[in-house]
Amino acid sequence: EVQLVESGGGLVKPGGSLRLSCAASGFTFSSYSMNWVRQAPGKGLEWVSSISSSSSYIYYADSVKGRFTISRDNAKNSLYLQMNSLRAEDTAVYYCARDFAARRLDYWGQGTLVTVSS
Amino acid sequence: SYVLTQPPSVSVAPGQTARITCGGNNIGSKSVHWYQQKPGQAPVLVVYDDSDRPSGIPERFSGSNSGNTATLTISRVEAGDEADYYCQVWDSSSDQNVFGTGTKVTVL
Repeated sequence: EVQLVESGGGLVKPGGSLRLSCAASGFTFSSYSMNWVRQAPGKGLEWVSSISSSSSYIYYADSVKGRFTISRDNAKNSLYLQMNSLRAEDTAVYYCARDFAARRLDYWGQGTLVTVSS
Repeated sequence: SYVLTQPPSVSVAPGQTARITCGGNNIGSKSVHWYQQKPGQAPVLVVYDDSDRPSGIPERFSGSNSGNTATLTISRVEAGDEADYYCQVWDSSSDQNVFGTGTKVTVL
């Protein structure tokens, strides 16, 4: 059974940093691209970043480019999101999602809440 | 950047058909995926590559894509279909995933 479990969320002050993790199991992690998607309270889904299976290709939404860094450790079956210079508008539930062919996101974790507030 | 526009809400009686549109410039040239999200839950893929269904998704969910509009159709709507629905494409010109604005489906 495919499982994605996010962790690392919490309360952080504006300008602060946070590192999210996503532990994957039930599939060959090193064969799939992965994504981070976020959802602000009461709002829609917003794609944040994606990383290819070997980390060769990395993409970011304009809203986080230069502040967030996606990475992965295939030996640990883990995906990460380093978030720096956090703003109030980064407050959201952050989901990790597996990327299948043609960029469809076929499995999602349950999400971890990041709150940026003073 | 590429924009996908959905109606904010669609209301439908049980047993009837709900159609949710997703508008984008020449979206017919892209692969469109659809997600269902119920309150407090993670999104679930219900249609991929315009019209295919993942295993476990009822045949009542179908999709089409042509020109500037993609459509998710839910036939014989049930109370359990009440949820938010999002379309999504990969925009190769900007190398970004794009989600639609989302549609809340209410079963009357």
